[in-house]
Amino acid sequence: DAGVIQSPRHEVTEMGQEVTLRCKPISGHDYLFWYRQTMMRGLELLIYFNNNVPIDDSGMPEDRFSAKMPNASFSTLKIQPSEPRDSAVYFCASSSDRSNQPQHFGDGTRLSIL
Amino acid sequence: AQKVTQAQTEISVVEKEDVTLDCVYETRDTTYYLFWYKQPPSGELVFLIRRNSFDEQNEISGRYSWNFQKSTSSFNFTITASQVVDSAVYFCALSAPQRETSGSRLTFGEGTQLTVNP
Repeated sequence: DAGVIQSPRHEVTEMGQEVTLRCKPISGHDYLFWYRQTMMRGLELLIYFNNNVPIDDSGMPEDRFSAKMPNASFSTLKIQPSEPRDSAVYFCASSSDRSNQPQHFGDGTRLSIL
Repeated sequence: AQKVTQAQTEISVVEKEDVTLDCVYETRDTTYYLFWYKQPPSGELVFLIRRNSFDEQNEISGRYSWNFQKSTSSFNFTITASQVVDSAVYFCALSAPQRETSGSRLTFGEGTQLTVNP
């Protein structure tokens, strides 16, 4: 079975540019999560969706960040404009239950903002 | 509020040694779920195990075993006869279902970097 698929694996861009990260969850999973991992803050939940609807976006750092899930098989996390402090590894995860079942993670997108 | 503490930041062992990674959690919920994830040097997060709060049975999977003790709020992970390929960062995590918006928030510990030397 295909796992969670994220693209791109690596992204290097200049400050001020728009960045779009993509995620395809595991088929049949109706929860999708976006996380950010940094050395300073560890793993942080940014936002999660249930049945394509955003449920909790309290972890989104600021208005420069936005996330969408137009259908059950695709989600995007967008940063506009990007800043150097956004450099991190961004993970997408999906699960078939809100908290009972494990979340399965994609390989992550390593983002570097110069 | 939920909290997961992994007091061991780094552990270094020699191959074939047994090693235990500690995890202590805090939650007011009576129903909750505990997880362990592995993050190898390649960076992906790999699910290892889930345990619910009503099941205190220890579990063994090959060289891996987990000791869940509600009395001490601990969920420790032991690797027997460690191998170089076990070198990774290991995360303990906690999730509770009751709260409508935060129930799915997987609270991670800070991770333990395990290095197994040949």
